Amino acid sequence: EVQLVESGGGLIEPGGSLRLSCVASGLTFSDAWMSWVRQAPGKGLEYIGLIKARSDGGTTNYAGPVEGRFIISRDDPRNTLYLQMNSLKTEDTGVYYCATDDHKGGFDSWGQGTLVTVSS
Amino acid sequence: QSALTQPASVSGSPGQSITISCTGTSSDVGNYNLVSWYLQYPGKAPKLMIYEVTKRPSGVSTRFSGSKSGNTASLTISGLQAEDEADYYCCSYAHSSPYVFGSGTKVTVL
Repeated sequence: EVQLVESGGGLIEPGGSLRLSCVASGLTFSDAWMSWVRQAPGKGLEYIGLIKARSDGGTTNYAGPVEGRFIISRDDPRNTLYLQMNSLKTEDTGVYYCATDDHKGGFDSWGQGTLVTVSS
Repeated sequence: QSALTQPASVSGSPGQSITISCTGTSSDVGNYNLVSWYLQYPGKAPKLMIYEVTKRPSGVSTRFSGSKSGNTASLTISGLQAEDEADYYCCSYAHSSPYVFGSGTKVTVL
């Protein structure tokens, strides 16, 4: 069974930086395409970005609202996915989920999420 | 990339069938057979229910089915049960994004 565990969320002031982690188990992490999805309080799901497996180029792709501010990376030996968030805005507040991308247009495993609150 | 359009709420009585629509454009839903659907209970992570428009992951009830026509995808829940009461989101591959989610639909079992 795939397990994804996010951590690193918390309260941060606008303009600050935060790094989230997602530790994976139950899968061959180095072969997995991984994504981040967030959900503002009381709102819907919003795709943030993905990172492909190193064997597929290891490239990243980001949604417009976070491009240039957020960076997705991976440490395959540690089975860990990262989301570096810079220049945070109040509208970045929400629960951040990591998820596996099944290459079939779906996210088939999800973590429990970690809450990020951007506020002064 | 704008969110895909879903009805805010859909309701039905136990045993009935309901359908949730998900309307996009020719740049996403209409151009790719990569539409997925997710169920989310309050305070919980989403769960994949349908992928590639019509396919069910192992373990998902056959009461859930997906379809697509033009720029609109649909999720049908047949034999509605109390446990189906949740929020549902569609998602489509979109060349520019590359994924876009729907606005979400709250399903109420009367």
